[in-house]
Amino acid sequence: IVMTQSPASLSVSPGERVTLSCTASRSVSRNLAWYQQKPGQAPRLLIYGASTRATFVPDRFSGSGSGTDFTLTISSLQSEDFAVYYCQQYNNWPPYSFGQGTKVEIK
Amino acid sequence: VQLVESGGGVVRPGGSLRLSCEASGFTFEDNGISWVRQAPGKGLEWVSVINWDGGSTRYADSVKGRFTVSRDNAKNSVYLQMNSLRAEDTALYYCAREDNGVHDFWGQGTLVTVSS
Repeated sequence: IVMTQSPASLSVSPGERVTLSCTASRSVSRNLAWYQQKPGQAPRLLIYGASTRATFVPDRFSGSGSGTDFTLTISSLQSEDFAVYYCQQYNNWPPYSFGQGTKVEIK
Repeated sequence: VQLVESGGGVVRPGGSLRLSCEASGFTFEDNGISWVRQAPGKGLEWVSVINWDGGSTRYADSVKGRFTVSRDNAKNSVYLQMNSLRAEDTALYYCAREDNGVHDFWGQGTLVTVSS
């Protein structure tokens, strides 16, 4: 399964609402996770099951979707949210497939 | 939960390397462990997964037949034996705790450079 994320990058001002997209080449049901990676750091799990926030993840992060189309929304971007975001499907494996990432930059 | 990778380094094409991932802070034998790599400036690529007792292993096509994953639950450790290394294997290798396909905790990675 090929995971495609859009856009590849976007520039956003703090406080703005951000919507990131992830599309699967075929249905992955709700078996979709989102990860955040800051420069020089390991990825961090944000969302699993398409919409369940991981422990200690702020509620400004939300996930939605099912089947082939998924969205990660950050309701009000904070300075610490500037990072690369990856989606990953775990419905049909191996392999576990990741999207190519969306980089969220400061405007 | 803590995962610490080690064993990375510089190796010539065709060479071998063994990575280790030592875990702490959770009941190790309750979880599978994945290896995920990231080439310089690139995205994440899943490499391999081993289940809780080592009885089931899976690999990405790009490493199948060259890499072998194993674990020692007595030592809370997972290993990735990498043979016939290629330049395209150059990457930061992460181990991550795997829970029904979700990678909920990650180590900081160990760098593998394949170069002549």
